[in-house]
Amino acid sequence: AQSVAQPEDQVNVAEGNPLTVKCTYSVSGNPYLFWYVQYPNRGLQFLLKYITGDNLVKGSYGFEAEFNKSQTSFHLKKPSALVSDSALYFCAVRAGALDTDKLIFGTGTRLQVFP
Amino acid sequence: DAGVIQSPRHEVTEMGQEVTLRCKPISGHDYLFWYRQTMMRGLELLIYFNNNVPIDDSGMPEDRFSAKMPNASFSTLKIQPSEPRDSAVYFCASSLLWGVSNQPQHFGDGTRLSIL
Repeated sequence: AQSVAQPEDQVNVAEGNPLTVKCTYSVSGNPYLFWYVQYPNRGLQFLLKYITGDNLVKGSYGFEAEFNKSQTSFHLKKPSALVSDSALYFCAVRAGALDTDKLIFGTGTRLQVFP
Repeated sequence: DAGVIQSPRHEVTEMGQEVTLRCKPISGHDYLFWYRQTMMRGLELLIYFNNNVPIDDSGMPEDRFSAKMPNASFSTLKIQPSEPRDSAVYFCASSLLWGVSNQPQHFGDGTRLSIL
């Protein structure tokens, strides 16, 4: 069965510093990986996805993520954090591209960026 | 562009009452998903539709839950009778060609449901 793990409940970083939000996955085939962000009282917003190709994926708001097949990881990164990046971040994985392949979400990591 | 629209945004009702949550997907999207978010269980997929047809309802917790999609622009999630443990935020999401293209799912802002 496919699964995704976000080992940190919360990540704290100072504004201007680089940030990393970790994600590891487990699937039986090729993974399709996504990052979403959730602001208070809002729905999830898509940030970026990895389907195939270049292991470094660039997304919205200056975020990027690196796919590492050997470590089964897909960590979210940003070179310089902003206070406005403070939110809840979800990693998600899909095992295939069939109708029956669902998107499985991690438990979320709360990012707190301090001024 | 109009996103996914959910109503109501907040619902407070007493145990035993019927609750109906509504969703209007993004125009042209052929997939619609219903999720539930709680602190204890995180984000759970309840059911999803393709071209108005339910594809997988294995996530629906009990027979008290039902969902319909009478046309491409409207879906409902109904709970009858409601129980306090149904209190959660319910999200609707839509996607174009999810089955073959891994296009992202677009989420509404949710309905915060409180059952007293």
